[in-house]
Amino acid sequence: DARVTQTPRDKVTEMGQEVTMRCQPILGHNTVFWYRQTMMQGLELLAYFRNRAPLDDSGMPKDRFSAEMPDATLATLKIQPSEPRDSAVYFCASGFTSGGHQETQYFGPGTRLLVL
Amino acid sequence: LAKTTQPISMDSYEGQEVNITCSHNNIATNDYITWYQQFPSQGPRFIIQGYKTKVTNEVASLFIPADRKSSTLSLPRVSLSDTAVYYCLVEGGGRRALTFGSGTRLQVQP
Repeated sequence: DARVTQTPRDKVTEMGQEVTMRCQPILGHNTVFWYRQTMMQGLELLAYFRNRAPLDDSGMPKDRFSAEMPDATLATLKIQPSEPRDSAVYFCASGFTSGGHQETQYFGPGTRLLVL
Repeated sequence: LAKTTQPISMDSYEGQEVNITCSHNNIATNDYITWYQQFPSQGPRFIIQGYKTKVTNEVASLFIPADRKSSTLSLPRVSLSDTAVYYCLVEGGGRRALTFGSGTRLQVQP
């Protein structure tokens, strides 16, 4: 049963520290998404990649957030420096896109981030 | 951006059929309609996807009228474990297709 994995599952850090979240997409999927979920804003798309190339990161605060895919098995989301308002659950999802049609997104369990 | 509108919450009882309607007036020709379910402390999970008319799987049915400006997720004989938030998405590729609305919080009572 293929699944998206995310590490760490929980992270508590202090304001100003760097936070790195990792995601392993399902093997064979060519699209990776990063979402953030808070009570106030709901699920927000931060960025997504197709075939490891960033397609859209307009949802990310550019000055502090960065997303990369070093290889097909790893996606990273970094926050530097972190701020209390970044506290949220960060989800990674992967899927397969063909001919412009996005197939089902499979979500990971999320990383719960608390910035003090 | 394509926008979806759903009821904020719904209540039901075990064994009843639940229908959640989503409106998507700006749906484009290439867009598909996808529904996700999310339990607390978990990521959303795919339920069903359709383009037109009716789609049925082991979990739910999806009804899409001819104009495709709305869709209805039908959950037959709900149980307590169906208590969750249900999201409707219009997916056609690109950022506009990846906007989750506020979802519908379904509460199933015994």
